[in-house]
Amino acid sequence: AQKITQTQPGMFVQEKEAVTLDCTYDTSDPSYGLFWYKQPSSGEMIFLIYQGSYDQQNATEGRYSLNFQKARKSANLVISASQLGDSAMYFCAILSPLTGANSKLTFGKGITLSVRP
Amino acid sequence: DTEVTQTPKHLVMGMTNKKSLKCEQHMGHRAMYWYKQKAKKPPELMFVYSYEKLSINESVPSRFSPECPNSSLLNLHLHALQPEDSALYLCASSLIQGSTEAFFGQGTRLTVV
Repeated sequence: AQKITQTQPGMFVQEKEAVTLDCTYDTSDPSYGLFWYKQPSSGEMIFLIYQGSYDQQNATEGRYSLNFQKARKSANLVISASQLGDSAMYFCAILSPLTGANSKLTFGKGITLSVRP
Repeated sequence: DTEVTQTPKHLVMGMTNKKSLKCEQHMGHRAMYWYKQKAKKPPELMFVYSYEKLSINESVPSRFSPECPNSSLLNLHLHALQPEDSALYLCASSLIQGSTEAFFGQGTRLTVV
């Protein structure tokens, strides 16, 4: 079975500064994908970034980058130049196995990020 | 159009009622999902449909009955729910099951009284 661990308490960051949200994972599947989603108070899950287990380079999407350390089984999200609109709940998730009828997305418990003006 | 549309946005129902949640997408996706999310908790997978066939049922109680009448539409029929079933119900879709990008709807906030 796959598992995602997010242990940080609620995080606070000053506007325009960078912040790192931690995520560790566990899976027995050799192929998997790692995701980060943002969920504002409105409820919608917003896709931020994806990293495949065989990708050689760390994924980047605008202000979001994923620090992928496969040997340590960690997939930390780095948000640069924080904005007030970044205040939300952030979920790390694993897609495992990557394909097939048993493929499913499992979420970590999430972390609340608050951006201070 | 990259939208997954869920209706209604809010629903209050009694324990003896029958109601349905609806989810629609027009992106040509062939995998659709129902998740249940309690307050301040992560989404938990309930059902996966792949090519209109039930692929995964995560041992969900029978008072929740999913239906996928066509590739664009996913329903969740609710009957004899309990107050602890009150939650945000999220629908998602992806090109195929296991696709590396899933789009989520805004959810239906369900309250069982």
